[in-house]
Amino acid sequence: GAGVSQSPSNKVTEKGKDVELRCDPISGHTALYWYRQRLGQGLEFLIYFQGNSAPDKSGLPSDRFSAERTGESVSTLTIQRTQQEDSAVYLCASSPRTGNQPQHFGDGTRLSIL
Amino acid sequence: EDKVVQSPLSLVVHEGDTVTLNCSYEVTNFRSLLWYKQEKKAPTFLFMLTSSGIEKKSGRLSSILDKKELFSILNITATQTGDSAIYLCAVDDMNRDDKIIFGKGTRLHILP
Repeated sequence: GAGVSQSPSNKVTEKGKDVELRCDPISGHTALYWYRQRLGQGLEFLIYFQGNSAPDKSGLPSDRFSAERTGESVSTLTIQRTQQEDSAVYLCASSPRTGNQPQHFGDGTRLSIL
Repeated sequence: EDKVVQSPLSLVVHEGDTVTLNCSYEVTNFRSLLWYKQEKKAPTFLFMLTSSGIEKKSGRLSSILDKKELFSILNITATQTGDSAIYLCAVDDMNRDDKIIFGKGTRLHILP
């Protein structure tokens, strides 16, 4: 597509439920990044993919968080047993490759845990 | 520990004023520094800086990098209400498997 697409744009769920967030990167972009942004804060790195593999998962806050990417395209970020502190905007970005390439961001998924 | 520090965290000025936003960094093996503007949703790319002393310009915005003192500034002249946004600075560290490290951002508000 023309830009990075994320869905859903908003998600409200109860504490303890699992959620799945989706990111469709720009076609042909091999690098894909997930970030978390809490209200009024900067971007917190979660994970990035080069192709379908994730060289760096160190930003994932806990083992409740996981992500995968298939076909060097769509990525899903899954949060299991959600907690209220998971409430944030989850942003996805892609770039043609890693290193020295500006990232193109999606509009994010605003996740609210009740 | 790698870090990117932006200042001020927030700034309120009147339309027509000039503002300077600061970004200092400490990374192991610097590759590039990037500035983004975030209004309501997706951050949009402004500049990428890799070399010291070379000013990048786009309209009323300009930015420069000092790799010796480890900082960058983003200048906005003749500010307009549409410049109101969060300005994010990010650094690419070659030693960190291309993890882009973001600062907390500067929240800029332009009063009409």
